[in-house]
Amino acid sequence: DIQMTQSPSTLSASVRDRVTITCRASQSVSNWLAWYQQKPGKAPKLLIYTASILESGVPSRFSASGSGTEFTLTISGLQPDDFATYYCQQYDSYPWTFGQGTTVEIK
Amino acid sequence: EVQLVESGGGLVQPGGSLRLSCAASGFTFSNYAMSWVRQAPGKGLEWVSTVTDSGDRTYYGDSVRGRFTISRDNSKNTLYLQMNSLRAADTAIYYCAKFRLGFDDWGQGTLVTVSS
Repeated sequence: DIQMTQSPSTLSASVRDRVTITCRASQSVSNWLAWYQQKPGKAPKLLIYTASILESGVPSRFSASGSGTEFTLTISGLQPDDFATYYCQQYDSYPWTFGQGTTVEIK
Repeated sequence: EVQLVESGGGLVQPGGSLRLSCAASGFTFSNYAMSWVRQAPGKGLEWVSTVTDSGDRTYYGDSVRGRFTISRDNSKNTLYLQMNSLRAADTAIYYCAKFRLGFDDWGQGTLVTVSS
């Protein structure tokens, strides 16, 4: 099984900060990677698919890059609505797997 | 507007069974693979199972293989998850999700609690 490891697990930041979350795969997933945002009590929301493509309706302050085993999600200019937990997920091969999550909290 | 509405969750004893349903609307259901993803209380997301658009292939996570069965009825626009031999570790919110190149639509989730 492919293991997905996110870092950091928790990130403290302020509004307008630029933040970066890293996701590493235990073996190559090519670019078959998605990023999700989840707020408490809500279903996750797709932000990015195929490693770097912004889902329709997602603000352009979100961007992502990477391929193979290392990926990053960047939020340029953190907004109050962005404080949430973020997950990466690989769909290169079954079983599909998620990272453990990164919580972005207010500093 | 895409809608995914799960039902069938509840309290069940260890070893028991439940069948979850997910009613889909607002898109051509038979064109998309569908999945179940769960989240234990206070924990992260765990992919459970996926069924292809036609229903001819199914895939399962290691923790549920042999106990859970995913299926779909494209004539009813409904996804199912039959869960047998339930364990305390299966306690979670179960989400159904539509898959394109990522899970681009999710239901609101249904809570399954396995406890005596």
